[in-house]
Amino acid sequence: NAGVTQTPKFQVLKTGQSMTLQCAQDMNHEYMSWYRQDPGMGLRLIHYSVGAGITDQGEVPNGYNVSRSTTEDFPLRLLSAAPSQTSVYFCASSYSGYSPLHFGNGTRLTVT
Amino acid sequence: GESVGLHLPTLSVQEGDNSIINCAYSNSASDYFIWYKQESGKGPQFIIDIRSNMDKRQGQRVTVLLNKTVKHLSLQIAATQPGDSAVYFCAENIAYGGSQGNLIFGKGTKLSVKP
Repeated sequence: NAGVTQTPKFQVLKTGQSMTLQCAQDMNHEYMSWYRQDPGMGLRLIHYSVGAGITDQGEVPNGYNVSRSTTEDFPLRLLSAAPSQTSVYFCASSYSGYSPLHFGNGTRLTVT
Repeated sequence: GESVGLHLPTLSVQEGDNSIINCAYSNSASDYFIWYKQESGKGPQFIIDIRSNMDKRQGQRVTVLLNKTVKHLSLQIAATQPGDSAVYFCAENIAYGGSQGNLIFGKGTKLSVKP
């Protein structure tokens, strides 16, 4: 049972480049979400999904897109990377909003 | 705006002592709370949760206390061990308009255990 798997673990982008952070879970969880973690800021919610075909914005959605075509996968797209998007990104899943989130081990992104 | 925060950013305890990590929340509509542990280079790991209809919940060596009157949450770790050294986050769930809500995290407390 792999839980939540994020790829890649590390990524360096130049300003203006685009990329997709991958997230997959094998627990058949309906709820999935993306957070970013910056020093001194805790984890902030970017986007979330309550099921396949349904996504919504979190606290800091600007510059990011998501889609949820299957229950298992929830990719996060950076359309045009900016230095302000340098952060550690965590994907998480849960049975519902009232059950514990299971987190992946993160993607460390640097934008130069 | 309303946010989940912590009283102390760092906490240093002696191995074997009990640790208490505090969290203040400001949204009275929050009805579900979770504590997470995060070790360096890893994702947050679930420790214990509590619903707003409870004021105490115990796990293995951990206890969470919820005081809704003063909007305060605490995590108690008994017989703290070196392996407990990590950053601890509290999180609250706020459901609006019948939605299932999302977890909002505090900024974290770093716990250091001295051998």
